[in-house]
Amino acid sequence: GDSVTQTEGLVTLTKGLPVMLNCTYQTTYSPFLFWYVQHLNEAPKLLLKSSTDNKRTEHQGFYATLHKSSSSFHLQKSSVQLSDSALYFCALRMSNYNVLYFGSGTKLTVEP
Amino acid sequence: EAAVTQSPRNKVAVTGGKVTLSCNQTNNHNNMYWYRQDTGHGLRLIHYSYGAGSTEKGDIPDGYKASRPSQENFSLILELATPSQTSVYFCASGDAKGDEVFFGKGTRLTVV
Repeated sequence: GDSVTQTEGLVTLTKGLPVMLNCTYQTTYSPFLFWYVQHLNEAPKLLLKSSTDNKRTEHQGFYATLHKSSSSFHLQKSSVQLSDSALYFCALRMSNYNVLYFGSGTKLTVEP
Repeated sequence: EAAVTQSPRNKVAVTGGKVTLSCNQTNNHNNMYWYRQDTGHGLRLIHYSYGAGSTEKGDIPDGYKASRPSQENFSLILELATPSQTSVYFCASGDAKGDEVFFGKGTRLTVV
């Protein structure tokens, strides 16, 4: 069935280091991928959404590229900040279906 | 700013009791969703709706009913609450394109 997989449950990094959060998906339909971020005690909010195949999309210093060949949409940032500490969800929407399916989430903790 | 309001924000219910979680959106979005969030499971879709009068089952509908009496309102009903339904519940709304959903602040439900 259609699904999203995030392999890291918890990532801890020191401020200033780069980060990559993994996201892979399975679907037989044309996919649209999203990253949502949830800060402590807040609602999830859209961080960025996929563009066309192999095109990078960026927002607030984060970036991701949809690679249909490998069914991936990994989230990256070149230098994490303390304020990036949050829960990050990858989500999938199929082209004919207005429903988001979320992965299990990755908790990013950035230390001083 | 898109607005999704959930009530109550916190609820303690007894096993076997009936619980109704309410959601109101002022975005004039057609689509509305109920998710539950549990550690290790991410956001799981319970029910969703494409408009007033419609409800659809998501991935985990057992033990839950939904009601969409109007464009603005979408309720989640637990007829016989069980401790396994202790969770944080998020309501969300989205437009017909499905490019972004906007979440409410969540309802923390504890069933004792």
